[in-house]
Amino acid sequence: GDSVTQMEGPVTLSEEAFLTINCTYTATGYPSLFWYVQYPGEGLQLLLKATKADDKGSNKGFEATYRKETTSFHLEKGSVQVSDSAVYFCALSRTSGTYKYIFGTGTRLKVLA
Amino acid sequence: NAGVTQTPKFQVLKTGQSMTLQCAQDMNHNSMYWYRQDPGMGLRLIYYSASEGTTDKGEVPNGYNVSRLNKREFSLRLESAAPSQTSVYFCASSEPEAHRRANYGYTFGSGTRLTVV
Repeated sequence: GDSVTQMEGPVTLSEEAFLTINCTYTATGYPSLFWYVQYPGEGLQLLLKATKADDKGSNKGFEATYRKETTSFHLEKGSVQVSDSAVYFCALSRTSGTYKYIFGTGTRLKVLA
Repeated sequence: NAGVTQTPKFQVLKTGQSMTLQCAQDMNHNSMYWYRQDPGMGLRLIYYSASEGTTDKGEVPNGYNVSRLNKREFSLRLESAAPSQTSVYFCASSEPEAHRRANYGYTFGSGTRLTVV
């Protein structure tokens, strides 16, 4: 069945450092891929998405490119801020059927001033 | 814009007690979902409702029941709580037609933190 694998955290970075959070997926066909962010005490919020191969999703300085050849959707940011401290979830969904999502286990990011 | 509203935000139950978690959305979405979030496990789907009047089991339905009361409301019931049900519960909603067009994603509530002792 479909699955999403994320790098284990926590990831601790200094402010202005470069961020990469790895995500790979297993799925048949062409799922859509997403990154969600969860700030402390809150629900998940959609950060960015990509619906087909080679698409690049971007938002708030974060980027991720849908790589079908490597089945990956790694999240990157060039210069992190303390306010980026949160848990990041990679997810996939299909564009047919019931649109259920498969989530990764989440990666906690802590950014130090 | 309230989005998805969950109540209560926190709850402590004794083993064997029952309770209902409430969820309501004001975006006229057709589909609603209940997830649980556990450390190291990510989010796991408990039940979902693709449209008003339908409900289906997700990945971890045992020990839970749901009711899609109307298009706005989707409740989750624990009939006899167990310590293994200690978790953070999230309700979400989505619009399948929007998914087909542009994959807008889910809208999540802020969660209910449940502890069963």
